[in-house]
Amino acid sequence: QQQVKQSPQSLIVQKGGIPIINCAYENTAFDYFPWYQQFPGKGPALLIAIRPDVSEKKEGRFTISFNKSAKQFSLHIMDSQPGDSATYFCAASNSNSGYALNFGKGTSLLVTP
Amino acid sequence: ETGVTQSPTHLIKTRGQQVTLRCSSQSGHNTVSWYQQALGQGPQFIFQYYREEENGRGNFPPRFSGLQFPNYSSELNVNALELDDSALYLCASSLVRGQSYNSPLHFGNGTRLTVT
Repeated sequence: QQQVKQSPQSLIVQKGGIPIINCAYENTAFDYFPWYQQFPGKGPALLIAIRPDVSEKKEGRFTISFNKSAKQFSLHIMDSQPGDSATYFCAASNSNSGYALNFGKGTSLLVTP
Repeated sequence: ETGVTQSPTHLIKTRGQQVTLRCSSQSGHNTVSWYQQALGQGPQFIFQYYREEENGRGNFPPRFSGLQFPNYSSELNVNALELDDSALYLCASSLVRGQSYNSPLHFGNGTRLTVT
């Protein structure tokens, strides 16, 4: 059973656009929500993470929005660049009792010049 | 500070064979986790080791086993390989048991296993 549902599966935007990737979860015990970026032939790299006690976090051009009541969170990439073309994964875990990071299925992003 | 390193990078095995994959944790990290990533999918948790003991396990059969050594390096062993075991196997380390905002998972680049 997929504990974190991610959409869309793929996304194409023009340079400068703002791609948005959405994730939803059911387990209210989750308290850690990271996003990972993966390039072909590489392992996932931590991009940004958020705790459920904040509604938004920004790091550079990347922003996470978090809606605890809706059990949803999303990644926004401002002023997207061709170098942002990669696969993005949202994930969630319970840092107190869990040991597994539960990943979404991923979103393949292509930013065209 | 060295990151997580895995070996080999690629491996081809025949169904029924056994395989051992190796991982060196990031310096200072005492917890190692293994994930399986099938093509086009997100990583799936296999198990985690903390101080040389299995700390948790995902939905994988017993033919998937692991070891963590005193220097925090780790091995993933898979017996009786099946075609569906073809995947990218990722090792990740963290500063403390589990993962959290203050102790995120850091992944290696993986071992691509192909079972024919």
